[in-house]
Amino acid sequence: ETGVTQTPRHLVMGMTNKKSLKCEQHLGHNAMYWYKQSAKKPLELMFVYNFKEQTENNSVPSRFSPECPNSSHLFLHLHTLQPEDSALYLCASSQDLAGTYTQYFGPGTRLTVL
Amino acid sequence: AQKVTQAQTEISVVEKEDVTLDCVYETRDTTYYLFWYKQPPSGELVFLIRRNSFDEQNEISGRYSWNFQKSTSSFNFTITASQVVDSAVYFCAFQRAGMGGTYKYIFGTGTRLKVLA
Repeated sequence: ETGVTQTPRHLVMGMTNKKSLKCEQHLGHNAMYWYKQSAKKPLELMFVYNFKEQTENNSVPSRFSPECPNSSHLFLHLHTLQPEDSALYLCASSQDLAGTYTQYFGPGTRLTVL
Repeated sequence: AQKVTQAQTEISVVEKEDVTLDCVYETRDTTYYLFWYKQPPSGELVFLIRRNSFDEQNEISGRYSWNFQKSTSSFNFTITASQVVDSAVYFCAFQRAGMGGTYKYIFGTGTRLKVLA
């Protein structure tokens, strides 16, 4: 089975909708990450969780709300988004944050906000 | 501060040609890690290699090879006999070594490789 999976792969939503992105990792890792990849911009780290606890929020607007119920699952809840939030949202996982570990990425959710 | 530069925005080659993707980094750290990832059109960032700063041996994996030179702060990636399936965006990344808080990657802006049949 693929190491890190994300659903849905594509999502189109209006600005007033509420939707959620899901990420699941099957690697036995304890750290999970959300990244945003916009056209012509470097990858932006949004949130980091370690053993279910949020350890980083990179000044992300509150219309993005992460949730990590356990070390294998990570969600990104979306509400009242703006068109500029259209991007590829990538989830990643690593062993944990105590050392220097490789991050493994999922296939991403391509989000379009109308 | 750390920085990763991938000066080549886009490269086009004809199938079977060799191609080298450049990566230059800046750091004052003595211990760190460097990575290459491949992002095909499907979107997933595929891990290719991780190299620590104390290991300057070049590495070869099939048609892929990496040349790490600390003296020039470069970690270049060569694809030999390129194939259409190699078409993707390739990212170089830097990660500081150490305990706690060093998980962040500094990504380059990526190089888009187009391999033409």
